[in-house]
Amino acid sequence: NAGVTQTPKFRVLKTGQSMTLLCAQDMNHEYMYWYRQDPGMGLRLIHYSVGEGTTAKGEVPDGYNVSRLKKQNFLLGLESAAPSQTSVYFCASSLGLAGGRNTQYFGPGTRLTVL
Amino acid sequence: RKEVEQDPGPFNVPEGATVAFNCTYSNSASQSFFWYRQDCRKEPKLLMSVYSSGNEDGRFTAQLNRASQYISLLIRDSKLSDSATYLCVVNPRYSSASKIIFGSGTRLSIRP
Repeated sequence: NAGVTQTPKFRVLKTGQSMTLLCAQDMNHEYMYWYRQDPGMGLRLIHYSVGEGTTAKGEVPDGYNVSRLKKQNFLLGLESAAPSQTSVYFCASSLGLAGGRNTQYFGPGTRLTVL
Repeated sequence: RKEVEQDPGPFNVPEGATVAFNCTYSNSASQSFFWYRQDCRKEPKLLMSVYSSGNEDGRFTAQLNRASQYISLLIRDSKLSDSATYLCVVNPRYSSASKIIFGSGTRLSIRP
């Protein structure tokens, strides 16, 4: 079991460029999440999915889009990157709704810098 | 007021010491609580859930104080390997994934 994997691990973009971050999990989890982590801010939820074909907005969804075409994959897209999107992005998954007895498992993160 | 607040630290304690830190939350209806550990430049990992009756896992003890709206983490006989950032996580209710709140973390450094 690889758990939760993320690609790429690092990326540098110029303002206005686009990119897609890929998250994959092999635990057959229904729920998947995208967070960003900034210094002093804690993790903030961008978007999440409660199952294949579904997506929902989190706390900070602006500037991002997501897709969950396959249960094991959750993609995060930046259509036109801005310096404010410089951050560390974590993907997570859980069997059921996180909380209670459903643990969130995190991927190793993607460090994105937008110049 | 932030929904979940933690003292950022750093807490710098000698090996073998006991250290404790708290996390306060603002939503009195919060349902579930967790401590995650995050090593430098790594992903968060669940350390332990926090139950109403308190719970212990080896050297780690977590407690919930609903009246004062905080959770605590106590580490006994601290090891160098305990050096990390400890994130408090609060889920205000079971029904929505979007409501899970992460604290910004308390940094702990254990010195030899």
